[in-house]
Amino acid sequence: GQNIDQPTEMTATEGAIVQINCTYQTSGFNGLFWYQQHAGEAPTFLSYNVLDGLEEKGRFSSFLSRSKGYSYLLLKELQMKDSASYLCAPMDSNYQLIWGAGTKLIIKP
Amino acid sequence: GAVVSQHPSRVICKSGTSVKIECRSLDFQATTMFWYRQFPKQSLMLMATSNEGSKATYEQGVEKDKFLINHASLTLSTLTVTSAHPEDSSFYICSARSGQENSPLHFGNGTRLTVT
Repeated sequence: GQNIDQPTEMTATEGAIVQINCTYQTSGFNGLFWYQQHAGEAPTFLSYNVLDGLEEKGRFSSFLSRSKGYSYLLLKELQMKDSASYLCAPMDSNYQLIWGAGTKLIIKP
Repeated sequence: GAVVSQHPSRVICKSGTSVKIECRSLDFQATTMFWYRQFPKQSLMLMATSNEGSKATYEQGVEKDKFLINHASLTLSTLTVTSAHPEDSSFYICSARSGQENSPLHFGNGTRLTVT
């Protein structure tokens, strides 16, 4: 089957760094997306990885290891507005995104 | 670029009535749009894939006669929840890709449906 494993909830301090891990199993693989979703809102696109390695985009970076079925999202210089759920969504061989429940990130002052 | 507009953002209706939700791609053409539903603290659930000019493809367990999808143009898809019941209360979100199959999904702002 297809599944995603992320921590349900994480807490971090404003200004710090946090890493959100994701392991996945899919039928085929066409890349992995990270989305941010604030409470009561729709998801917004953060990053896409299809090759192994690190992709950096401002304060956010995303890493992929296809052989391990593993990805992480790294958030630096945390701000209060980063409090949200972060969704790891791999894409299977049919180009369908597989969604988990995401990781709720709580930022404390 | 790649803006998806969804309307209305909130709707409250009485049990037994129908509600129509519109999803528009504002600055790109979308031959395919996706309709999701999300219950509190749960993952996005794909309901159906809307194809311009043809019938929608529904996921297993989603009633096609209850959730009517029309994709009459390259920029507009509509979802109609017919004979709504309180258990249909949820957050409905549409999305579309502006490029190839592995390009990001861009989401509308979602519609919070409450059926009383």
